[in-house]
Parts: sequence; C-alpha cells; structure tokens
Amino acid sequence: EIVMTQSPATLSVSPGERATLSCRASQSVSSNLAWYQQKPGQAPRLLIYAASSRATGIPARFSGSGSGTEFTLTISSLQSEDFAVYYCQQYSNWPPYTFGQGTKLEIK
Amino acid sequence: EVQLLESGGGLVQPGGSLRLSCAASGFTFSSYAVSWVRQAPGKGLEWVSAISGSGGSTYYADSVKGRFTISRENSKNTLYLLMNSLRGEDTAVYYCAKLYGSLYEAFDIWGQGTTVTVSS
Repeated sequence: EIVMTQSPATLSVSPGERATLSCRASQSVSSNLAWYQQKPGQAPRLLIYAASSRATGIPARFSGSGSGTEFTLTISSLQSEDFAVYYCQQYSNWPPYTFGQGTKLEIK
Repeated sequence: EVQLLESGGGLVQPGGSLRLSCAASGFTFSSYAVSWVRQAPGKGLEWVSAISGSGGSTYYADSVKGRFTISRENSKNTLYLLMNSLRGEDTAVYYCAKLYGSLYEAFDIWGQGTTVTVSS
C-alpha cells in the first residue's frame, strides 16, 4: 500500500499571500496524483488531477507540480474562500486508493 | 448538471446491516467507474470500494473486505453499497464519487454524503 504523507498538518497564511502545501508518496506514483479541497460540512472537491492539470472551473491561482514521490499544491494569492482542508490522493497503484492525512489551511 | 445523491444512512446496531444508494444524473452512468469513500468524524478520507462502469470488476479496502458489497444498476443510474456485520469503526459519512473515466483516474464528482452511525 502506498502511504501518502502531507506537510505541514496546519498552515497559517494571510489573505493575499502564497500558500505551498506538500505531499510525499512512499513510492513512485508517476503523475497519478490528485488534490482535493474540503470545507467544513461539505464534500471534497477535485482541484488538480494528473499532478498538474486543473479540474473544470478551478481558478488559475491553484497550481500543482511534481512527479514520482514529491508533489506540491500552490495557491498563488489566497482568497477568503480558500481556507479549508486539502488532501492529496494517489491513483497509480490500487487498490487501495490512498489519501494523505490532510493539511488545514487557516487564516493567519 | 452532473450530480450524485446518496441515501440510506442512519443509526444501526453493531453487527447490523445497511444498504446505501447513490443516484447519478447528468452523465452516462454506465461509462464511468464509481466508488465509495468514507470519512469518520473529525478524520481524513478513506477509500472503501470501487466498481467499473460495467460492474464486472469490484475492489475493496481490506478494512471492509468480506463485509461490504458494492454493486450498480446501470438501467437505474444507481450505485449501491451493502454493509453487513457493521462495527463502531464503520461510523462515518459515506460519499459516492465518480471517477474521471476509468478506474485509473481521480474522483472528479462527489455526492453530498450520507451519515452512518454504528452504535448500541
């Protein structure tokens, strides 16, 4: 089973600043990596798939990068609606599909 | 609009059974793999089970293998999860999620979730 590890667990950033979230896989997942955003009481929403492709309707301030075992989600200029929990997920080697434990992005 | 709508959650005693349903609309249901993902209270996301578009291939997490059964009825655009021998650790919000295409893809559409509580 591939273990996904996200860092940091909590990230405090001011609105308008850049946020950088990290995700590491225990073995290579190539580019088969997705990022999701989840707000309290809501379902997750797909932001990024194939490591760097934005899903439909996702603003350009969200970008993904990386391949193999190291991945990054960058939010270039944080808006109030971006404060949420973010999960990475691999779909390279399954079952099982595995998620990271999440990074909570909070307002500084 | 592409939508998934779960139902069937509720309170069940340990050892009991429950069947969840997920009604799909806005896309050709039979062309896509679909999955169940759960989230225990205050915890992260855990993949539970997945099924191919035809229904011919099914997959399970070790934590539910032998107790849960995933199935689909493409004529009714509906996904199911039959949960037997339920345990306290199965308490969670259960989401159905559509895969972007095949089973080798991300989960691009999620339902709003249905809550399952296993308690005496």
